[in-house]
Amino acid sequence: QMQLQESGPGLVKPWETLSLTCLVPGDSISSMSYFWGWVRQPPGRGLEWIATIYRTGSTYYNPSLRSRVTISIDTSKKHFSLTLISMTAADTAVYYCARLVRPRGNTVPTYFDYWAQGRLVTVSS
Amino acid sequence: QSVLTQPPSVSAAPGQSVTISCSGSTSNIGNNYVSWYQQLPGAAPKLLIYDNNKRPSGIPDRFSGSKSGTSATLGITGLQTGDEADYYCGTWDSLYPVFGGGTKVTVL
Repeated sequence: QMQLQESGPGLVKPWETLSLTCLVPGDSISSMSYFWGWVRQPPGRGLEWIATIYRTGSTYYNPSLRSRVTISIDTSKKHFSLTLISMTAADTAVYYCARLVRPRGNTVPTYFDYWAQGRLVTVSS
Repeated sequence: QSVLTQPPSVSAAPGQSVTISCSGSTSNIGNNYVSWYQQLPGAAPKLLIYDNNKRPSGIPDRFSGSKSGTSATLGITGLQTGDEADYYCGTWDSLYPVFGGGTKVTVL
């Protein structure tokens, strides 16, 4: 059972920067079969994809957040990270890191198979 | 406004069946695989169905998925109180993952 582990602050002041890290157990972070991503969920609302990264460093961003988001990966440390700048109350959400599966023969992933427990991040002064 | 459209809620008595629809377009469901996720209260989403109709190990066959054209459906048979949760469909649109707005399943 893959258990992703997030770390980072639970409270961020308006206009500050959020940094979250997701630790990946084992060696799957270097596997060709997986991508890694972040998804968030505002309180009482649905899921919103933020960004995805591959072991090579290839990145994909939600167009609506692209100007404020950076995703990075460090396979030697077995973690990937999210940075979101200029946080506002609208960014208050539970942030999930997750593994995405790239089936053999596909160039892109087709589903999320494991999700971390989630980190509630509140933006407030 | 979600890219994929799901009904806000469905309900049924224990033992009965429910279906949840997920409507999209040719740019997403029409040309990509669909997955389904169950989110129990206070928990992270959990993969229920992938590649339209495949179940991960450990997911009971009470859960099933199908896809036709630009729509997909999740079916739950033999409804149990433990199935009360939010259910989300997901797929890709161009290079980006997209999700439905979620459907709350209530067991009466």
